[in-house]
Amino acid sequence: GEDVEQSLFLSVREGDSSVINCTYTDSSSTYLYWYKQEPGAGLQLLTYIFSNMDMKQDQRLTVLLNKKDKHLSLRIADTQTGDSAIYFCAEPVSNYQLIWGAGTKLIIKP
Amino acid sequence: DAGVIQSPRHEVTEMGQEVTLRCKPISGHNSLFWYRQTMMRGLELLIYFNNNVPIDDSGMPEDRFSAKMPNASFSTLKIQPSEPRDSAVYFCASSLRGLGGSGANVLTFGAGSRLTVL
Repeated sequence: GEDVEQSLFLSVREGDSSVINCTYTDSSSTYLYWYKQEPGAGLQLLTYIFSNMDMKQDQRLTVLLNKKDKHLSLRIADTQTGDSAIYFCAEPVSNYQLIWGAGTKLIIKP
Repeated sequence: DAGVIQSPRHEVTEMGQEVTLRCKPISGHNSLFWYRQTMMRGLELLIYFNNNVPIDDSGMPEDRFSAKMPNASFSTLKIQPSEPRDSAVYFCASSLRGLGGSGANVLTFGAGSRLTVL
């Protein structure tokens, strides 16, 4: 069945780049999404990429998509303390179903 | 726009009590989702409404759970009777349309209702 996998934790130093990885299984997905969840809050869309793109850049965020390997990554440049959150990768598998990764908790070290 | 509004933000209740969670989606959004988030199971879709009609409730864990959407601006999720294993954060989310079709479709989540059943 469909599955989205992410590592559970990532620890980086403030100012370094963070790279959060995700693997997915449904090759027919048209879009792939990254959501961010801050403590005590709901998820909010961070960015997304269309499946015919290899890369998308938005300020400090870079999304890379390797369709052959079904691998998605999110790079955050110059990581700040405000980036501390849980990051979820998600792919749609129907008109209303998203398969969610378990979420990667980003920990920022001073 | 105030976003998706959920209430209560926190609910502590005793086993066997009825719990009602409420959601006001974003005006103009025709799709509404109820999710449950736990450490063990992550995010689970409980039920999906489109134009106020329940389309898929296969994620509702048991008959103790029920959801309604009487109009486009209000939905409830009810648990009766509640059990300790229902303790979780329940999220309501809405989107302009379902996830299909052309263009990216974004879910807007509420802040969640944290339920603790003792």
